[in-house]
Amino acid sequence: QVQLVESGGGVVQPGKSLRLSCATSGFRFAPYGMHWVRQAPGKGLEWVAGISYDGTKTFYADSVRGRLAISRDNSRTSLSLQMNSLRVDDTALYYCVREGRIVGATYFFDSWGQGTLVIVSS
Amino acid sequence: QSALTQPASVSGSPGQSITITCTGAPSDIGGFNYVSWYHQHPGRAPKLIIFDVYNRPSGISNRFSASKSGNTASLTISGLQADDEGDYYCSSHTTTTTLVVFGGGTKVTVL
Repeated sequence: QVQLVESGGGVVQPGKSLRLSCATSGFRFAPYGMHWVRQAPGKGLEWVAGISYDGTKTFYADSVRGRLAISRDNSRTSLSLQMNSLRVDDTALYYCVREGRIVGATYFFDSWGQGTLVIVSS
Repeated sequence: QSALTQPASVSGSPGQSITITCTGAPSDIGGFNYVSWYHQHPGRAPKLIIFDVYNRPSGISNRFSASKSGNTASLTISGLQADDEGDYYCSSHTTTTTLVVFGGGTKVTVL
C-alpha cells in the first residue's frame, strides 16, 4: 500500500534551517505531483508547497515563499523540504501528501504521511 | 485567517443528517470544480472523503455527499455515526498567489 514517511523534524531556533524528508513506497512515485501541508498545534491545515511530477514546477504559499524550498528525487522516490530562516510561526506538524491522480489538473490529496513535527523556539 | 470560511462546529444526533458549508470567492470555489473535503480524527492524519466537488474516493461511504453553488460548497453527512466525529476541512484550488487553500475546519460532534 501507499506509504509516506516523513522525517527530519525537531526543535530549532528562529533564523536557523532544517531539512525535512519524505520517503515513499508502495506506488510509482515519478508520475505524481507531491506537496507539503502543515498544521500548527491545535490549528487547521495550511498548504505549504507543491512540486510537479518531474520537478520542473514548484509552488509556494505566500507565507513561506523565499524561505522554504521543495524538491524531489525520483530515482530515490523521495520528497524534501528545505526550510531556511525559520520563524516561530513555522511551528507545525508537516505532512507529506500525494496528489490524487496523475492525469489532469489535480488539487486534492489522497495519501498523507503521519507528519513530522517542527518546533521553532528560542 | 483562512481563505475559505467554515462554521467552527456542527453537531447532530446519531442517524440524523448534518451539513457543513464552506464559503470562498470567485477566485477559488466559485471559479473551479476543484473542491475537496477531508476528515481528521484527533491525532490522526486527514483523510480524503470528497474530491472535485462531489466525487467520493473508493471506500468512502455514500453517506457522505457534497455539492457546490456559486462560491459556497457543502458537505452533507447522512445517517450520522459516532465515528463521523472529528474535524472536517474543505479545500479548493485558487488563482491567488498560492495554489491551494483550506478552510479553517469544522468540528463535528455526535450527540
